[in-house]
Amino acid sequence: KNEVEQSPQNLTAQEGEFITINCSYSVGISALHWLQQHPGGGIVSLFMLSSGKKKHGRLIATINIQEKHSSLHITASHPRDSAVYICAVRANEKLTFGTGTRLTIIP
Amino acid sequence: DSGVTQTPKHLITATGQRVTLRCSPRSGDLSVYWYQQSLDQGLQFLIQYYNGEERAKGNILERFSAQQFPDLHSELNLSSLELGDSALYFCASSGGSASLYEQYFGPGTRLTVT
Repeated sequence: KNEVEQSPQNLTAQEGEFITINCSYSVGISALHWLQQHPGGGIVSLFMLSSGKKKHGRLIATINIQEKHSSLHITASHPRDSAVYICAVRANEKLTFGTGTRLTIIP
Repeated sequence: DSGVTQTPKHLITATGQRVTLRCSPRSGDLSVYWYQQSLDQGLQFLIQYYNGEERAKGNILERFSAQQFPDLHSELNLSSLELGDSALYFCASSGGSASLYEQYFGPGTRLTVT
């Protein structure tokens, strides 16, 4: 079993829909990161969380430390949100990554 | 633009060869991290340097080595290259050594071993 599990692996939605991507982990962590990787390959850090909730524009990330679970939400999704979203957990100064969720938003 | 630069952007080389990938962190950042992203393994942490010292080590092969120089740029050396080393290599930087700091990723170096 991987230390970091993401679901779903692939997600296709219509423009405007509310999107949720989930991440579960099995180890104690000091922080959780959500990353976005576009088709060109570049990686952008979206959020770093150690508790609670963070919001940036149409993106919201939440984490429940007790349940070892985090969610990334996208409101009013847009085709430019199409990318791979990767969850990563930090433990012992090392990041362990999930396998990513490929999101496709159809106009 | 994250402020992290990596060179070269693309590298094609043959098995058995040795290559050096270079990373310049954001201005003021003391930590540099190296990651490998391959099709079969996904993203993996290789190694972290903080202010010139090795801080944490991940799944880095013995054929690979890294260092961080006094000007804080870092180099990842890959030797005796194998086909399986073909991957995207990312470097990231952060302001400090601890987990409280956000990481900023460079654009990556795509290595193809033929």
